[in-house]
Amino acid sequence: QVQLVQSGAEVKKPGASVRVSCKASGYIFTSYFLHWVRQAPGQGLEWVGMLNPSSGITNYAQKFQDRVNMTRDTSTSTVDMDLAGLRSEDTAIYYCARGTRWLIKDWGHGTLVTVSS
Amino acid sequence: QSVLTQPPSASGTPGQRVTISCSGAGPNIGSNNVNWHQQFPGAAPKLLMFGNTQRPSGVPDRFSGSKSGTSASLAISGLQPEDEADYYCAVWDDSLNGQVFGGGTRVTVL
Repeated sequence: QVQLVQSGAEVKKPGASVRVSCKASGYIFTSYFLHWVRQAPGQGLEWVGMLNPSSGITNYAQKFQDRVNMTRDTSTSTVDMDLAGLRSEDTAIYYCARGTRWLIKDWGHGTLVTVSS
Repeated sequence: QSVLTQPPSASGTPGQRVTISCSGAGPNIGSNNVNWHQQFPGAAPKLLMFGNTQRPSGVPDRFSGSKSGTSASLAISGLQPEDEADYYCAVWDDSLNGQVFGGGTRVTVL
C-alpha cells in the first residue's frame, strides 16, 4: 500500500532553516508528483509547492519562491523540503502528498514545525 | 484570503442533505477539475472526491460532487454523525500555476 512517512517534529528559532523529509513506498516513486501543503494551527490548507521525482523539476507557490527548496533522492524514494528564513507565521503542520500535477491523491501524516524564540 | 471561497460552516441533522459551495474563477474552477478533501480533527486530510464528480474507492455514495462554470458543490445526502469534519475544495489554477484550496467548511451534525 502507498505510504508517505515523514520526519519528526521540529522546533526552530526565527531566522533558522528547517528540512522536512518524506519517504515514499508502495508505488513507483518516479510516477507521481510530490506536493507539500501546510496547515497553520486552526487554519486551512495552503499549497507550498511540488516536485516531479522523475525530472527533479519543481514548482513553488509564489509566496515561498525565494525561501523554499525541494529535492529528491530516487535511490531512497525520498523528497526533502527545505524552508529558510523561518518566522512565527511558518508554524504549521507540513504535509507531503502524492498525486498528479493537478490532483493530490494520498497524504502523509504531517510534520509539525514550530518556530519560536 | 483563499482563492476559492467556501462557507466557514454548514450543519444538519442526521439524514438531512447538506451542500457545500466552492466559488472560484476562470483560471481555476472555470478551467480545471475540482477535488474535495475531508479532514477529521487531528488527522491528515483525505481525498474525498476528484474530477468534479468521482469518488475514490471506499467513499460512500451519499457524497456527490458537481461543477458549473466557476463554482462547484459537494453534497452529503443522508448526513451521518461520522461525517462531522472539515471539507476543502481544491483545484489547479492556470494563472498562479499551482494548487489552490478553499478556506474549508466545518460540517456539524446536530
